[in-house]
Amino acid sequence: DAKTTQPPSMDCAEGRAANLPCNHSTISGNEYVYWYRQIHSQGPQYIIHGLKNNETNEMASLIITEDRKSSTLILPHATLRDTAVYYCIVRARTGNQFYFGTGTSLTVIP
Amino acid sequence: DTGVSQDPRHKITKRGQNVTFRCDPISEHNRLYWYRQTLGQGPEFLTYFQNEAQLEKSRLLSDRFSAERPKGSFSTLEIQRTEQGDSAMYLCASSSEERVNTEAFFGQGTRLTVV
Repeated sequence: DAKTTQPPSMDCAEGRAANLPCNHSTISGNEYVYWYRQIHSQGPQYIIHGLKNNETNEMASLIITEDRKSSTLILPHATLRDTAVYYCIVRARTGNQFYFGTGTSLTVIP
Repeated sequence: DTGVSQDPRHKITKRGQNVTFRCDPISEHNRLYWYRQTLGQGPEFLTYFQNEAQLEKSRLLSDRFSAERPKGSFSTLEIQRTEQGDSAMYLCASSSEERVNTEAFFGQGTRLTVV
C-alpha cells in the first residue's frame, strides 16, 4: 500500500472550515483514499473514503486532485469535539492492512 | 449498539504473566484485524483474519503472541510471558470485503499495562 504524507499538526478556529491535506504521490489506480480520526484514548473512527471523485457525507468532504496524488479532508464547521488526530490512508478496496502513519493532530481553538 | 466490542477495556498484569483479549466484530463482517498502538504513534498492524483463516501476520507479532478466530466470529489475542514493552493499546477492527464499502470499524481497544 502506498504511503502518505501529512503535516504533524494544525490549528483551526471553532466554526471555521478545517482543511487537512494529504500527499499520496505513489497511489495506484486501484487504491482508495480513506480518512480516519482518533480522539484521545478512543479507537479510530472512520470518516470518509473515495477513489477519484469528490465525496461528501454528514461528517466531512473529501477532495481528491485530478492526478490523485493528493487529497484534502474538509470539516466544514469545526467544533471543539473535532480535536483529534486525523489519519489519511491509501489502500486497495480489498487490500490487507490499513497503514496509519502518524497523522495530523488537529486542535480546534475556541 | 452493534459496533466492534473489545474486552477487557483495561488490563494490568505483572511481567511474565499471560493475558488474553477478546474482540467481537460487527455481525457478518468477514475480516477482523488486530492493531497495537503505543503512546504518540499511529496504530500498527499485527494480523488479520478472513473468516477463520489468519491470512497475514506482521513481524511485530512475535512468538509470544497468538491470535485465533475459531468460528469466524469473535477473536482472541493472547500474549504469553508479557514484557514491559508489551504495554500498549490493542485495537480490533472488522470489515466486510463482500460489500461495496470496505471501510474498517474499530473497537475502543484494550489498554494493557505490564508492571
